[in-house]
Amino acid sequence: SQTIHQWPATLVQPVGSPLSLECTVEGTSNPNLYWYRQAAGRGLQLLFYSIGIDQISSEVPQNLSASRPQDRQFILSSKKLLLSDSGFYLCAWSNQGLTNYGYTFGSGTRLTVV
Amino acid sequence: TQLLEQSPQFLSIQEGENLTVYCNSSSVFSSLQWYRQEPGEGPVLLVTVVTGGEVKKLKRLTFQFGDARKDSSLHITAAQTGDTGLYLCAGGGGTSYGKLTFGQGTILTVHP
Repeated sequence: SQTIHQWPATLVQPVGSPLSLECTVEGTSNPNLYWYRQAAGRGLQLLFYSIGIDQISSEVPQNLSASRPQDRQFILSSKKLLLSDSGFYLCAWSNQGLTNYGYTFGSGTRLTVV
Repeated sequence: TQLLEQSPQFLSIQEGENLTVYCNSSSVFSSLQWYRQEPGEGPVLLVTVVTGGEVKKLKRLTFQFGDARKDSSLHITAAQTGDTGLYLCAGGGGTSYGKLTFGQGTILTVHP
């Protein structure tokens, strides 16, 4: 069966520090991968999506970047965090071309920038 | 840009009551999905509807996709405290990238 792992679960980082959030998927190959941010427990904002290794698309200009060094690994990074980067970050995967099967989300990372 | 509007944003009801959450758009979607999310967790897929007019039932939950595939509703019969959570609708555009457009969510609180 397919599983998705996201870590860490919580993170408190000072302004100006770097960030690295990691997401890995098991039990499938060549998945679509996504990074979302959720503010105040409401709707999801798509940050990045990837359809393959080193193929990353950014949806919103911002202080963050994403990388996909391996087929089932997706990393969200920042060189210098801002207060506005605080939020709940979610990684998700879906089957290529099969949007009807929906997304499977990780358990999320609560990031607080202080 | 495709947008999905959910209503109401907040819903507070007593156990045993019925409720309906709406998800509306001016855009046509190839599929419409509903997710439920608990605090501190990722959303979990409840259902996907793909055909205009389609109705799906999941125990006490009934999901409907509009005939024109621009809107959807979620109806819960005899709500229970365990139904409490954030409900999100999401529309799929049918691209190979699989991008979904999410609504802003409905926070449901069911009181005992």
